Amino acid sequence: DAGVIQSPRHEVTEMGQEVTLRCKPISGHDYLFWYRQTMMRGLELLIYFNNNVPIDDSGMPEDRFSAKMPNASFSTLKIQPSEPRDSAVYFCASSLGAQSYGYTFGSGTRLTVV
Amino acid sequence: QQPVQSPQAVILREGEDAVINCSSSKALYSVHWYRQKHGEAPVFLMILLKGGEQKGHEKISASFNEKKQQSSLYLTASQLSYSGTYFCGTGNAGKSTFGDGTTLTVKP
Repeated sequence: DAGVIQSPRHEVTEMGQEVTLRCKPISGHDYLFWYRQTMMRGLELLIYFNNNVPIDDSGMPEDRFSAKMPNASFSTLKIQPSEPRDSAVYFCASSLGAQSYGYTFGSGTRLTVV
Repeated sequence: QQPVQSPQAVILREGEDAVINCSSSKALYSVHWYRQKHGEAPVFLMILLKGGEQKGHEKISASFNEKKQQSSLYLTASQLSYSGTYFCGTGNAGKSTFGDGTTLTVKP
């Protein structure tokens, strides 16, 4: 298995631009999570899906952030408009069952907003 | 609520042992442990479910005491490859919240 695949690995964009991060979970995993990691705030859960349905988006910072999972093999996290404080590493993770199995993380997208 | 990890950082010599603790103020269903090396993604080590079970991975083992809402990670005879930041994740209602991490440095 190729694991969880994220793209792009690095993204540098100007403030105000739209940014789209992509994730392909492991086939057969029914949970997908988006996390953001910064030095100041650590690993923060933004949103998670179960069987393609968003379950909890209480961690999404504000309306500028949105996430979709149109099918079992693809998810996107969009930031529009982007701001410098959104600079972070964004990880996607998938799991077979959320509480009885560990998470497999993708390699992450390092986002820099200038 | 975020679990609390201690200590924040540990420096060891090869072959020494270490214990990393994780505690929560909320009742836990599961605890899972990850290691993250600089510039890489967290890698799953093990998960512990309700029942106080212990699990092992290489010379790394862990315990989970759900009554005390605590878990501990034991690293025995540490190797250079054990260096990294260790995170505990506490599972509840389908999602996991991660602690701030414990940075482990193993020196020759």
